[in-house]
Amino acid sequence: DTGVSQDPRHKITKRGQNVTFRCDPISEHNRLYWYRQTLGQGPEFLTYFQNEAQLEKSRLLSDRFSAERPKGSFSTLEIQRTEQGDSAMYLCASSLGFPPGTQYFGPGTRLLVL
Amino acid sequence: AQRVTQPEKLLSVFKGAPVELKCNYSYSGSPELFWYVQYSRQRLQLLLRHISRESIKGFTADLNKGETSFHLKKPFAQEEDSAMYYCALPPDNQGGKLIFGQGTELSVKP
Repeated sequence: DTGVSQDPRHKITKRGQNVTFRCDPISEHNRLYWYRQTLGQGPEFLTYFQNEAQLEKSRLLSDRFSAERPKGSFSTLEIQRTEQGDSAMYLCASSLGFPPGTQYFGPGTRLLVL
Repeated sequence: AQRVTQPEKLLSVFKGAPVELKCNYSYSGSPELFWYVQYSRQRLQLLLRHISRESIKGFTADLNKGETSFHLKKPFAQEEDSAMYYCALPPDNQGGKLIFGQGTELSVKP
């Protein structure tokens, strides 16, 4: 499967714990995006990278959230001191940077914070 | 601020009936617009984009700048069209983030 992959697919954690999600983009794609989706809503942008550079972060991304893409390939999204409001589907997507390309989405990581 | 609005949460039609999923946007300039679809238990995937002017799976969408709309249409709905549909636009046309609408669930009944 050469599509975008995400791991884990599901995560249940207790409030206050830290969690980390991984995304592996399509190999030739230099742009990688993170979105969050809650029930009944469309995906909301969190952050994106071009190669290893983080180009934009949403105001939704509090200080408890951090994302990295150290070698310009896979990316990790860490949430520290999780809260119940963090429960959502976390989506990763990748694309070619220029010209603006179609974003290809992964299957998502569903997070439940108890 | 750029915004995408899909006024209908649920649209239910019978097989063979025409379908129109509404999308309105607010954007200054010439937007690039997309329709994404999510079938049950599958990932979000691109259905069509404005710039391509393609017809995918019988769906078309025309950009109406006067009405700031990008409605998705299909003349004869099929049961396999049942899915969540999201309209989206990139606010800066630079290949960055997408702003999505809330989505419309299309249910095609036999």
